[in-house]
Amino acid sequence: SAVISQKPSRDICQRGTSLTIQCQVDSQVTMMFWYRQQPGQSLTLIATANQGSEATYESGFVIDKFPISRPNLTFSTLTVSNLSPEDSSIYLCSVELETQYFGPGTRLLVL
Amino acid sequence: QKEVEQDPGPLSVPEGAIVSLNCTYSNSAFQYFMWYRQYSRKGPELLMYTYSSGNKEDGRFTAQVDKSSKYISLFIRDSQPSDSATYLCAMSARTGGFKTIFGAGTRLFVKA
Repeated sequence: SAVISQKPSRDICQRGTSLTIQCQVDSQVTMMFWYRQQPGQSLTLIATANQGSEATYESGFVIDKFPISRPNLTFSTLTVSNLSPEDSSIYLCSVELETQYFGPGTRLLVL
Repeated sequence: QKEVEQDPGPLSVPEGAIVSLNCTYSNSAFQYFMWYRQYSRKGPELLMYTYSSGNKEDGRFTAQVDKSSKYISLFIRDSQPSDSATYLCAMSARTGGFKTIFGAGTRLFVKA
């Protein structure tokens, strides 16, 4: 298994600003994933982040809005840019070992 | 048609009941099947992980996969109020970065 931490756990942001979410894993992993979970909904994959290469974005998500860094095998960041109220959601970091494990999530509210 | 269908509930049962949670899927390539439990304001926690068809038991939890019917189930025996959570099924064709598809999640309430 993996122990995953995320910072911040929650934040309230103003429209037009950006929020950077950090994800730290207790072991080296190749694949890291970023998901969004809107209230009452299931998980939507934003992008897959491999160390040393550009992130791969899912349909409907673009790098300008959701830039991702993956500087090493234990860490990644997701930035949500130019925030709007529609970005209010839980953002989850995930890693794959034999299966996927999730961090505790970052709860974002945009006013 | 969604790749994975899961009744969102809510499902309310008395303490001690046997709970049955189910998902159906359409992609016959799925080989890996997972159940996650998500408490309010927390990230999903892996409960059960099975490969291909068959049953897997872990304490009060049993996962079943019927690939011929494209149907998976999670049974919870002797349900407890602490089991109250949202249960998400998930499945993928392969590991190694292949996309995992999640169900919508079923909200379960176990009443004391």
